[in-house]
Amino acid sequence: DIQMTQSPSSLSASVGDRVTINCRASQYISTFLNWYQHKPGKAPRLLIYAASTLQSGVPSRFSGRGSGTDFSLTISSLHPEDFATYYCQQSYSTSFTFGQGTKLGIK
Amino acid sequence: QVQLQESGPGLVKPSETLSLTCTVSGDSISSYYWSWIRQPAGKGLEWIGRIYSSENTDYNPSLKSRVTMSVDTSKNQFSLKVSSLTAADTAVYYCAREVLSGPSAINFDHWGQGILVTVSS
Repeated sequence: DIQMTQSPSSLSASVGDRVTINCRASQYISTFLNWYQHKPGKAPRLLIYAASTLQSGVPSRFSGRGSGTDFSLTISSLHPEDFATYYCQQSYSTSFTFGQGTKLGIK
Repeated sequence: QVQLQESGPGLVKPSETLSLTCTVSGDSISSYYWSWIRQPAGKGLEWIGRIYSSENTDYNPSLKSRVTMSVDTSKNQFSLKVSSLTAADTAVYYCAREVLSGPSAINFDHWGQGILVTVSS
């Protein structure tokens, strides 16, 4: 299986801050990388697919970049509703795998 | 608007078999791959497997020996069975639709709300 490692595991930030979450794959995955937002008790929400393409309806303050093994998700200016857990996921291999998650909390 | 809804028991005994169903509305189940994904308490997301029609399935190698998926096109539903349950199978189970949105763009664009399954005697 391809292992996905996110960093940091958690971080605290304030409304208006710019934050970046990193994701590293254990082997080459081209741009087969997706980002999801997950809030307690709710369904995960697709934010970014193919490493950098914004899903329809997702605010433009979210952006993704990277290819190969190293990727990042950036929120340019945090809104109150952005505090959640974020997961990366590879779809290069059919045995799909997720990162362990990054919990974004309020400072 | 595509909606997915999981259903099944909330409590199952160890060594027994879990059966869950995902009902899809707003789209035909025949047109996509459909996955099951779970999240144990305090842990991350784990992909269990996927199905396309009744003949095409892929399973997580770590669960393959205990997992079976099926599709009922007449009801627009797909199902998951996990056998030989242990406490480690306690988790929130999600169903999700897999789409190909473009090059390098396989992703899960619609998810159910999830169902908590507890394995305990």
